[in-house]
Amino acid sequence: AQSVAQPEDQVNVAEGNPLTVKCTYSVSGNPYLFWYVQYPNRGLQFLLKYITGDNLVKGSYGFEAEFNKSQTSFHLKKPSALVSDSALYFCAVRDWGGATNKLIFGTGTLLAVQP
Amino acid sequence: DSGVTQTPKHLITATGQRVTLRCSPRSGDLSVYWYQQSLDQGLQFLIQYYNGEERAKGNILERFSAQQFPDLHSELNLSSLELGDSALYFCASSVGGDLTGELFFGEGSRLTVL
Repeated sequence: AQSVAQPEDQVNVAEGNPLTVKCTYSVSGNPYLFWYVQYPNRGLQFLLKYITGDNLVKGSYGFEAEFNKSQTSFHLKKPSALVSDSALYFCAVRDWGGATNKLIFGTGTLLAVQP
Repeated sequence: DSGVTQTPKHLITATGQRVTLRCSPRSGDLSVYWYQQSLDQGLQFLIQYYNGEERAKGNILERFSAQQFPDLHSELNLSSLELGDSALYFCASSVGGDLTGELFFGEGSRLTVL
C-alpha cells in the first residue's frame, strides 16, 4: 500500500531563513507525490507535484520540493521563509489501487515562522 | 477560491441524529472525493465518485453513505451520529480523466456532535 510519512509534527524557523519540511514515501510503483498547504479554517491548497522529470519541482508561493529516489524522500523547501508561510503542510501520494486519483496524505507538519 | 463549494460550513447536532453534507465540484470536474479530518485520525479518505459512479472506497463507516447526482454535485450522509464523528469533512474534485492531476478542495464542513 502507498504511504507517506512526515516525521516532524512541527517545524520552527525564523523569518528570512531557509525552511525544509520533510516527507518520505513508500510506493509499489512510480510515485506521484504532492504537497498541499492548509491555512487556519481553510481547505487544502495545492502547492506542487512530482510526476516525472526533473527532481527539483517548483511550485506556488516560492516553494520547491526535491524528489530523491534513493532516499525515497520528497522534502519541501523554501529559500527564505515568510511569517505568512505559517500553516499546516501535508505531503501526499497518489494511490495506485485502480483507476482512481485518490491521494493518501501524511499526518501534516505545522510550520511556524517567527518574525 | 478553489471553485469547490461545500455547505453547510458549520453544523452542530446531537448523538443519534442524521446530517447531510453537500458539495458542488469545480465546473467541469467529474470526480468528487470526500475526506474526514480529525485531530486523532488526520486526513482520511472516505469515498470517491466519478461521473455518478462510485470509483474508490476508503475508511468509510457503514453509517455513512454518499452519492453523486447527474448534475455532479455530491452529498455525504452521516447517520446515527456519535461523538467521535465530530470532524471537518472536506470535499475535493478533480478532472476525471487525469490521473496525475491535483485535487481541488472546498473549505470544509465542520461537524460537531454533542
